[in-house]
Amino acid sequence: QKEVEQDPGPLSVPEGAIVSLNCTYSNSAFQYFMWYRQYSRKGPELLMYTYSSGNKEDGRFTAQVDKSSKYISLFIRDSQPSDSATYLCAMSVSGGYQKVTFGTGTKLQVIP
Amino acid sequence: GAVVSQHPSWVICKSGTSVKIECRSLDFQATTMFWYRQFPKQSLMLMATSNEGSKATYEQGVEKDKFLINHASLTLSTLTVTSAHPEDSSFYICSAPGQVRGGYNEQFFGPGTRLTVL
Repeated sequence: QKEVEQDPGPLSVPEGAIVSLNCTYSNSAFQYFMWYRQYSRKGPELLMYTYSSGNKEDGRFTAQVDKSSKYISLFIRDSQPSDSATYLCAMSVSGGYQKVTFGTGTKLQVIP
Repeated sequence: GAVVSQHPSWVICKSGTSVKIECRSLDFQATTMFWYRQFPKQSLMLMATSNEGSKATYEQGVEKDKFLINHASLTLSTLTVTSAHPEDSSFYICSAPGQVRGGYNEQFFGPGTRLTVL
C-alpha cells in the first residue's frame, strides 16, 4: 500500500467550476500537509500547507485536512484556464528539514 | 520566494556514460538539499538527502554508487548518474528548504532535468 494515494485524473472542468482534489494517506504520523502545483516539465511550486487538522483558505484555494479519516482536500473556486496543471498533495512528519512524501498528482484541465 | 536552479534542463546521453546534474540555491544558503526522481505519471520519489560537508543519505533501494551526490558548498549540490542506462531515463528534481513559515520549512524546487539515455 502506498503511503499517499491520489487519483491521477485527468480531471477536465469548465471555466468557473469548483474543483475538488483529494488524497488519502496511511501514515498517522504525518503532521504537515501540502499542495503543490506543477506545470509540465517544471518543478513543483507550493500552493498551500496546513498543520494538523482543519481548514485553510487563500484566495480561491481552500485546503482541508481530516486526520481522523486520513483524508485531505484542495478546493479551487471559480477555476481559470491558468489553473490547468498537475496538483500534487504532499505530507511530512515534521516541519523542519524533512522528508516529504508526494502523491502521484492529479492532472487538471480547465476548459475556457 | 527563494530560487533554485538546475543545469542542464535536459540531457541526452549514450548508455554507459556518466551525467552530472547541478542544483544551485541562487539567493539563499542550503545546508541540505533533496534529490527526487519522477517517472511519467508517477509521483516524485525521494532519492537522497544531500548534506553540505558530509555524506549524502540515500533512500532504500537507491544505489549510492550509481547516483553520486556531492554537496561541496552551501549553494551547490551535484548528482552524477554513473554508467547510465535507459532505465535511468527520468525527470530529476532537486529542492532546498528555505525560510520557516509558521513552523513549516518550505522547500523550493528546481525546474528539473530531463535525462534521456539512449
